[in-house]
Amino acid sequence: GAVVSQHPSWVICKSGTSVKIECRSLDFQATTMFWYRQFPKQSLMLMATSNEGSKATYEQGVEKDKFLINHASLTLSTLTVTSAHPEDSSFYICSAREAGGAFSAYEQYFGPGTRLTVT
Amino acid sequence: KNEVEQSPQNLTAQEGEFITINCSYSVGISALHWLQQHPGGGIVSLFMLSSGKKKHGRLIATINIQEKHSSLHITASHPRDSAVYICAVRFRSGNEKLTFGTGTRLTIIP
Repeated sequence: GAVVSQHPSWVICKSGTSVKIECRSLDFQATTMFWYRQFPKQSLMLMATSNEGSKATYEQGVEKDKFLINHASLTLSTLTVTSAHPEDSSFYICSAREAGGAFSAYEQYFGPGTRLTVT
Repeated sequence: KNEVEQSPQNLTAQEGEFITINCSYSVGISALHWLQQHPGGGIVSLFMLSSGKKKHGRLIATINIQEKHSSLHITASHPRDSAVYICAVRFRSGNEKLTFGTGTRLTIIP
């Protein structure tokens, strides 16, 4: 099956710094990628949807300037948490979707997640 | 309103037992996913269904479109099956977005 990787798997940063998380589709081209956030013992919350080559669509309540998303190629999307604060500490998960191709159409594959801790 | 409900919220069973986790949704869908999340967080996509039944090893997923209901079954359960199982649905009216159930925390006791 298709594989989605995330890097780093965990990161600790100081308050006020920026952190970049990468999401890669390893063996397929992802026309659409999704970024989710998950708090402990809660379900995934969609932050934004990005399509390759265009601006991301953010969900209501998600700050665009704080969570910068770049989907520069069909295999890579990045989420940058700018000026991180302790309340940004969370588990961030990306997911990629391929329309057509070798794998099932519209199947959505999830990355392993990145645990961000802001001190 | 597009809603997804899972039951039970928590399930503890003995090793070897047959496990059933249920998912109901409110309106028409284009696809339903069953996901597995182990402690530590990584999510694995188990199945994507739009009709009928799928089987992979000891896992079976079924969906009844008319009743708006899906089940995930685990045969001969094992402690390594302990995880949170999440039902996620793509509603026809929801564009590309998945709506997630609250998850079922499964614990298999040796």
